[in-house]
Amino acid sequence: DAGVIQSPRHEVTEMGQEVTLRCKPISGHDYLFWYRQTMMRGLELLIYFNNNVPIDDSGMPEDRFSAKMPNASFSTLKIQPSEPRDSAVYFCASSFWGGTEAFFGQGTRLTVV
Amino acid sequence: QQQVKQSPQSLIVQKGGISIINCAYENTAFDYFPWYQQFPGKGPALLIAIRPDVSEKKEGRFTISFNKSAKQFSLHIMDSQPGDSATYFCAASPDYGGSQGNLIFGKGTKLSVKP
Repeated sequence: DAGVIQSPRHEVTEMGQEVTLRCKPISGHDYLFWYRQTMMRGLELLIYFNNNVPIDDSGMPEDRFSAKMPNASFSTLKIQPSEPRDSAVYFCASSFWGGTEAFFGQGTRLTVV
Repeated sequence: QQQVKQSPQSLIVQKGGISIINCAYENTAFDYFPWYQQFPGKGPALLIAIRPDVSEKKEGRFTISFNKSAKQFSLHIMDSQPGDSATYFCAASPDYGGSQGNLIFGKGTKLSVKP
């Protein structure tokens, strides 16, 4: 398996624009997690899904953030409208029930100017 | 109560030395304590993990020591190598059985191993 695949790897956008980050989890994994990493706040869990259903979105910072998982092999994290303080590295991770770890993707570095 | 406090923020160790990173937590509901390693430009990767029913776990040069009563755990890297230079994160989760990715992370320790 190629691991967790995220796209794009880098995204530069202007303030106010819509940004969509994409994630393909490892095949067979039934949990998917979105994290944000910044120097100030470290790694923070934004939302996670189990069997495509959102379980906990308490980490989503504002209504400008939304996440979907239309099927077992794809998830999106959308920011609309984007703001400079959203600049961070966003990671997607996946795991399966009874497994031993969560596997992280390479991340998407988002810069909002 | 949801925090995981990690120290030190940075650590410099000579090749062959022992690296020690400490973490403390508040929430007694945490049931799974992994350590992740992250290299620049990469995602975190699991290094080693422990559950509170054991006090120590060793995998190669890496050992987790766990003190349930003190709510503390630490990572020891024996015979540290330059290739170990990375950022290390401790974490905690209340859900070992399934969502091992539902993690509260410490702020990280940047380890530099000097040759």
